[in-house]
Amino acid sequence: NAGVTQTPKFQVLKTGQSMTLQCAQDMNHEYMSWYRQDPGMGLRLIHYSVGAGITDQGEVPNGYNVSRSTTEDFPLRLLSAAPSQTSVYFCAAGGSTDTQYFGPGTRLTVL
Amino acid sequence: AQSVTQLGSHVSVSEGALVLLRCNYSSSVPPYLFWYVQYPNQGLQLLLKYTSAATLVKGINGFEAEFKKSETSFHLTKPSAHMRDAAEYFCAVSDRASKIIFGSGTRLSIRP
Repeated sequence: NAGVTQTPKFQVLKTGQSMTLQCAQDMNHEYMSWYRQDPGMGLRLIHYSVGAGITDQGEVPNGYNVSRSTTEDFPLRLLSAAPSQTSVYFCAAGGSTDTQYFGPGTRLTVL
Repeated sequence: AQSVTQLGSHVSVSEGALVLLRCNYSSSVPPYLFWYVQYPNQGLQLLLKYTSAATLVKGINGFEAEFKKSETSFHLTKPSAHMRDAAEYFCAVSDRASKIIFGSGTRLSIRP
């Protein structure tokens, strides 16, 4: 049981580039979410999904896109990277009113 | 919309002293409340959760939290701090529908 996996662990992008952060879970949870963690700001919710084919915006969705074609996968796309998107990104899976299981994170730097 | 405020971005206590980390929430419906811990360079893991059963919730590693509706608080406590408790702690609230919102975190330091 791998739990929640994220790839890559580290990534450096140039301004304007696009990329996809991968997130996968093997626990069959319907609820998945993406957060970004910045110093002094805690975790801020970017997007979340309550099941395959259903996604919604969180607190800071601008500049990010998500889709959920399967229960297992919930990729996060950066459409045109900006320095303000430099952050650590965490994916989580769990019940929407229950324990969230977090992945190890992706550290992204945008130059 | 729900929100969480954690008072004190950094708390420092001596080993063996009481730990008190403060969390106040705002929610238009009876909330679910959580405390998570993050050790350096790791993801978050659940310490404890309140889901409208007992108001005093016991978690892992000797931590507990009390839900006080009148004060809209869910403060985290531990009677005796240990060096291994040094970490960042996050309070979170769920509106029972979908979103789970986290606070800004409190970094706990333990002095020998």
